[in-house]
Amino acid sequence: NAGVTQTPKFQVLKTGQSMTLQCAQDMNHEYMSWYRQDPGMGLRLIHYSVGAGITDQGEVPNGYNVSRSTTEDFPLRLLSAAPSQTSVYFCASSYSGMRGYTFGSGTRLTVV
Amino acid sequence: DQQVKQNSPSLSVQEGRISILNCDYTNSMFDYFLWYKKYPAEGPTFLISISSIKDKNEDGRFTVFLNKSAKHLSLHIVPSQPGDSAVYFCAASDGNKLVFGAGTILRVKS
Repeated sequence: NAGVTQTPKFQVLKTGQSMTLQCAQDMNHEYMSWYRQDPGMGLRLIHYSVGAGITDQGEVPNGYNVSRSTTEDFPLRLLSAAPSQTSVYFCASSYSGMRGYTFGSGTRLTVV
Repeated sequence: DQQVKQNSPSLSVQEGRISILNCDYTNSMFDYFLWYKKYPAEGPTFLISISSIKDKNEDGRFTVFLNKSAKHLSLHIVPSQPGDSAVYFCAASDGNKLVFGAGTILRVKS
Protein backbone atom coordinates (compact mmCIF):
# COMPACT_ATOMS: atom_id res chain seq x y z
CA ASN A 1 0.00 0.00 0.00
CA ALA A 2 1.22 3.50 -0.85
CA GLY A 3 -0.53 5.11 2.15
CA VAL A 4 -0.85 8.89 1.76
CA THR A 5 0.79 10.31 -1.36
CA GLN A 6 1.48 14.02 -1.76
CA THR A 7 2.62 15.70 -4.95
CA PRO A 8 4.69 17.66 -5.68
CA LYS A 9 7.39 17.35 -3.00
CA PHE A 10 8.81 20.80 -3.74
CA GLN A 11 7.34 23.85 -5.48
CA VAL A 12 8.34 27.47 -6.00
CA LEU A 13 5.60 29.93 -6.93
CA LYS A 14 5.54 33.58 -7.76
CA THR A 15 3.20 35.84 -5.81
CA GLY A 16 -0.25 35.75 -7.37
CA GLN A 17 0.15 32.39 -9.08
CA SER A 18 -2.27 29.57 -8.41
CA MET A 19 -1.60 25.90 -7.87
CA THR A 20 -3.08 22.71 -6.49
CA LEU A 21 -1.36 20.46 -3.99
CA GLN A 22 -2.43 16.89 -4.56
CA CYS A 23 -3.19 14.33 -1.86
CA ALA A 24 -4.32 10.76 -2.44
CA GLN A 25 -4.78 7.83 -0.08
CA ASP A 26 -5.45 4.19 -0.87
CA MET A 27 -6.62 3.06 2.58
CA ASN A 28 -10.32 3.86 2.09
CA HIS A 29 -10.13 6.42 4.88
CA GLU A 30 -13.11 8.72 5.33
CA TYR A 31 -11.28 11.44 7.27
CA MET A 32 -8.69 13.62 5.53
CA SER A 33 -6.99 16.85 6.59
CA TRP A 34 -4.49 19.44 5.41
CA TYR A 35 -1.95 21.03 7.74
CA ARG A 36 0.80 23.56 7.39
CA GLN A 37 3.94 23.46 9.50
CA ASP A 38 5.77 26.65 10.31
CA PRO A 39 8.69 27.18 12.75
CA GLY A 40 7.40 27.66 16.29
CA MET A 41 3.78 27.22 15.21
CA GLY A 42 3.53 23.46 15.05
CA LEU A 43 1.00 21.87 12.71
CA ARG A 44 -1.97 24.09 12.00
CA LEU A 45 -5.15 22.69 10.52
CA ILE A 46 -6.18 24.33 7.22
CA HIS A 47 -9.22 22.31 6.07
CA TYR A 48 -10.58 18.89 6.83
CA SER A 49 -13.12 16.43 5.44
CA VAL A 50 -15.14 13.69 7.14
CA GLY A 51 -16.18 12.05 3.88
CA ALA A 52 -16.72 12.57 0.17
CA GLY A 53 -18.64 15.78 -0.45
CA ILE A 54 -18.11 17.09 3.09
CA THR A 55 -15.44 19.66 3.97
CA ASP A 56 -14.97 22.19 6.75
CA GLN A 57 -12.57 24.93 7.77
CA GLY A 58 -9.78 24.43 10.26
CA GLU A 59 -7.69 26.98 12.17
CA VAL A 60 -6.10 28.79 9.20
CA PRO A 61 -8.37 28.40 6.13
CA ASN A 62 -7.93 31.82 4.51
CA GLY A 63 -6.31 31.69 1.08
CA TYR A 64 -7.01 27.98 0.58
CA ASN A 65 -9.83 26.01 -1.02
CA VAL A 66 -10.57 22.30 -0.89
CA SER A 67 -13.03 19.85 -2.37
CA ARG A 68 -13.64 16.14 -1.78
CA SER A 69 -15.30 14.56 -4.81
CA THR A 70 -13.93 11.07 -4.08
CA THR A 71 -12.89 9.19 -0.93
CA GLU A 72 -9.33 8.85 -2.25
CA ASP A 73 -8.45 12.44 -3.17
CA PHE A 74 -8.36 15.69 -1.22
CA PRO A 75 -6.63 18.46 -3.23
CA LEU A 76 -5.67 21.80 -1.69
CA ARG A 77 -5.91 24.87 -3.94
CA LEU A 78 -4.07 28.16 -3.58
CA LEU A 79 -5.93 30.65 -5.78
CA SER A 80 -3.47 33.54 -5.48
CA ALA A 81 -0.26 32.62 -3.70
CA ALA A 82 1.23 35.00 -1.13
CA PRO A 83 4.67 34.90 0.58
CA SER A 84 2.86 34.18 3.88
CA GLN A 85 1.88 30.81 2.40
CA THR A 86 5.50 29.70 2.27
CA SER A 87 5.43 26.58 4.42
CA VAL A 88 5.57 22.80 4.53
CA TYR A 89 2.17 21.28 3.83
CA PHE A 90 1.08 17.89 5.12
CA CYS A 91 -1.93 15.85 4.15
CA ALA A 92 -3.24 13.19 6.52
CA SER A 93 -5.99 10.58 6.56
CA SER A 94 -7.70 8.39 9.13
CA TYR A 95 -10.29 5.61 9.31
CA SER A 96 -12.18 7.63 11.91
CA GLY A 97 -11.85 10.90 13.73
CA MET A 98 -10.92 9.03 16.88
CA ARG A 99 -7.99 7.12 15.46
CA GLY A 100 -4.44 8.06 14.60
CA TYR A 101 -3.95 9.82 11.30
CA THR A 102 -1.46 8.67 8.67
CA PHE A 103 0.56 11.50 7.22
CA GLY A 104 2.10 12.05 3.81
CA SER A 105 5.73 13.08 3.45
CA GLY A 106 4.87 16.73 2.83
CA THR A 107 5.12 19.42 0.14
CA ARG A 108 7.63 22.21 0.67
CA LEU A 109 6.19 25.36 -0.92
CA THR A 110 8.06 28.63 -1.39
CA VAL A 111 6.26 31.74 -2.61
CA VAL A 112 8.55 34.50 -3.86
CA ASP B 1 -6.45 31.11 19.88
CA GLN B 2 -4.45 27.92 20.23
CA GLN B 3 -6.59 25.10 21.57
CA VAL B 4 -3.68 22.73 22.22
CA LYS B 5 -0.60 24.13 23.92
CA GLN B 6 2.87 22.71 24.43
CA ASN B 7 4.63 25.32 26.51
CA SER B 8 8.11 23.80 26.46
CA PRO B 9 9.77 24.36 23.07
CA SER B 10 12.60 21.99 23.93
CA LEU B 11 13.73 19.38 26.45
CA SER B 12 17.13 17.80 26.96
CA VAL B 13 17.61 14.56 28.95
CA GLN B 14 20.35 12.05 29.56
CA GLU B 15 20.14 8.62 27.98
CA GLY B 16 18.45 6.15 30.34
CA ARG B 17 16.55 8.82 32.26
CA ILE B 18 12.87 9.70 32.02
CA SER B 19 11.57 12.23 29.49
CA ILE B 20 8.32 14.00 30.38
CA LEU B 21 6.56 16.05 27.74
CA ASN B 22 3.55 18.13 28.71
CA CYS B 23 0.47 19.37 26.89
CA ASP B 24 -2.57 21.46 27.84
CA TYR B 25 -5.83 21.92 26.00
CA THR B 26 -8.71 24.36 26.29
CA ASN B 27 -11.59 22.83 24.28
CA SER B 28 -13.86 20.63 26.42
CA MET B 29 -15.16 18.94 23.25
CA PHE B 30 -11.86 17.12 22.78
CA ASP B 31 -12.25 13.51 23.85
CA TYR B 32 -9.34 11.71 22.21
CA PHE B 33 -5.71 12.64 22.55
CA LEU B 34 -2.65 11.56 20.61
CA TRP B 35 1.09 11.99 20.53
CA TYR B 36 3.08 12.10 17.31
CA LYS B 37 6.80 11.98 16.67
CA LYS B 38 8.43 13.81 13.79
CA TYR B 39 11.88 13.64 12.25
CA PRO B 40 13.15 16.35 9.86
CA ALA B 41 11.92 16.09 6.26
CA GLU B 42 9.38 13.41 7.18
CA GLY B 43 5.69 13.40 8.01
CA PRO B 44 4.64 12.93 11.65
CA THR B 45 4.17 9.35 12.81
CA PHE B 46 1.61 8.21 15.36
CA LEU B 47 3.06 7.21 18.72
CA ILE B 48 0.38 6.63 21.32
CA SER B 49 -3.15 7.77 22.14
CA ILE B 50 -5.63 7.92 24.99
CA SER B 51 -9.39 8.19 25.18
CA SER B 52 -11.00 10.64 27.58
CA ILE B 53 -12.55 7.75 29.51
CA LYS B 54 -9.10 6.64 30.61
CA ASP B 55 -6.39 8.34 32.63
CA LYS B 56 -3.42 6.25 31.53
CA ASN B 57 -2.30 4.27 28.51
CA GLU B 58 0.95 2.38 28.20
CA ASP B 59 2.84 1.03 25.20
CA GLY B 60 6.31 -0.26 25.91
CA ARG B 61 8.55 2.62 26.98
CA PHE B 62 5.80 5.18 26.30
CA THR B 63 3.03 6.10 28.74
CA VAL B 64 0.45 8.84 28.32
CA PHE B 65 -1.38 10.30 31.31
CA LEU B 66 -4.58 12.31 31.08
CA ASN B 67 -5.95 14.66 33.73
CA LYS B 68 -9.34 15.75 32.39
CA SER B 69 -10.17 18.11 35.23
CA ALA B 70 -6.94 20.02 34.61
CA LYS B 71 -7.18 19.61 30.81
CA HIS B 72 -3.63 18.33 30.88
CA LEU B 73 -1.82 15.36 29.42
CA SER B 74 1.73 14.18 29.51
CA LEU B 75 3.94 11.69 27.70
CA HIS B 76 6.53 9.75 29.68
CA ILE B 77 9.39 7.97 27.93
CA VAL B 78 11.32 5.52 30.11
CA PRO B 79 14.15 4.87 29.56
CA SER B 80 15.00 7.57 27.05
CA GLN B 81 17.21 6.56 24.13
CA PRO B 82 19.21 8.69 21.65
CA GLY B 83 16.89 7.49 18.85
CA ASP B 84 14.01 9.19 20.67
CA SER B 85 15.48 12.58 19.72
CA ALA B 86 12.79 14.21 17.56
CA VAL B 87 9.96 16.73 17.69
CA TYR B 88 6.95 15.50 19.66
CA PHE B 89 3.50 16.85 18.92
CA CYS B 90 0.49 16.60 21.16
CA ALA B 91 -2.87 16.44 19.32
CA ALA B 92 -6.53 16.41 20.30
CA SER B 93 -9.65 15.27 18.46
CA ASP B 94 -13.32 16.15 18.88
CA GLY B 95 -14.30 13.24 16.63
CA ASN B 96 -14.16 15.30 13.43
CA LYS B 97 -10.97 17.34 13.38
CA LEU B 98 -7.50 16.77 14.83
CA VAL B 99 -5.72 19.82 16.27
CA PHE B 100 -2.01 19.93 17.12
CA GLY B 101 0.19 21.79 19.55
CA ALA B 102 3.36 23.64 18.57
CA GLY B 103 5.65 20.72 19.40
CA THR B 104 8.52 20.03 21.80
CA ILE B 105 12.03 19.23 20.56
CA LEU B 106 13.41 16.34 22.61
CA ARG B 107 17.17 15.78 22.68
CA VAL B 108 18.44 12.64 24.36
CA LYS B 109 22.14 12.87 25.14
CA SER B 110 24.30 9.74 25.21
